Amino acid sequence: GQNIDQPTEMTATEGAIVQINCTYQTSGFNGLFWYQQHAGEAPTFLSYNVLDGLEEKGRFSSFLSRSKGYSYLLLKELQMKDSASYLCAAWGGKLIFGQGTELSVKP
Amino acid sequence: DTEVTQTPKHLVMGMTNKKSLKCEQHMGHRAMYWYKQKAKKPPELMFVYSYEKLSINESVPSRFSPECPNSSLLNLHLHALQPEDSALYLCASSQEGRGRVDTGELFFGEGSRLTVL
Repeated sequence: GQNIDQPTEMTATEGAIVQINCTYQTSGFNGLFWYQQHAGEAPTFLSYNVLDGLEEKGRFSSFLSRSKGYSYLLLKELQMKDSASYLCAAWGGKLIFGQGTELSVKP
Repeated sequence: DTEVTQTPKHLVMGMTNKKSLKCEQHMGHRAMYWYKQKAKKPPELMFVYSYEKLSINESVPSRFSPECPNSSLLNLHLHALQPEDSALYLCASSQEGRGRVDTGELFFGEGSRLTVL
């Protein structure tokens, strides 16, 4: 079967660092994705990991451990505009999304 | 041009109506997708077209009928819908459709918000 777990909600302070964790089980695996979705808008692509390790892209980094079925998204120097839902998604023949983590950034 | 365009943005229909949602991309992508998203839930895959052929149907009720007239267009025909079908319908495209993901990126349209009365 396929299952993706991530926390439902997180709160962090502007300027801080936050880590959003994701665990997954898929039938076959061909990559782990993170998407950002602001309320009422379409998801936008943030990162893609297919090999173990850390991928860095500006204030956002994503990590993957295939043996543990685990990924995290790291957001640094948080800004108010980072308040959004962060969706972990795994590709196992098709892209399956986790429930999303609603991040609230407070002043 | 890196856009996926969906029309209409909003649609209200009765349970006996027939309507269609449209999606267009000009990025040369060969895979196109329909997702359904309810409030505060993740997108749920409905259909995948790869090279203009239906490759995945996630056991979607027949009142939803997809169509891919050409590699740039994707339609979703709606007939005899139920109020619980009210949701945001997202279209997406990706570069490679034969069960592989080259870039790891799905490009999403802004969605069509459907209300069924």
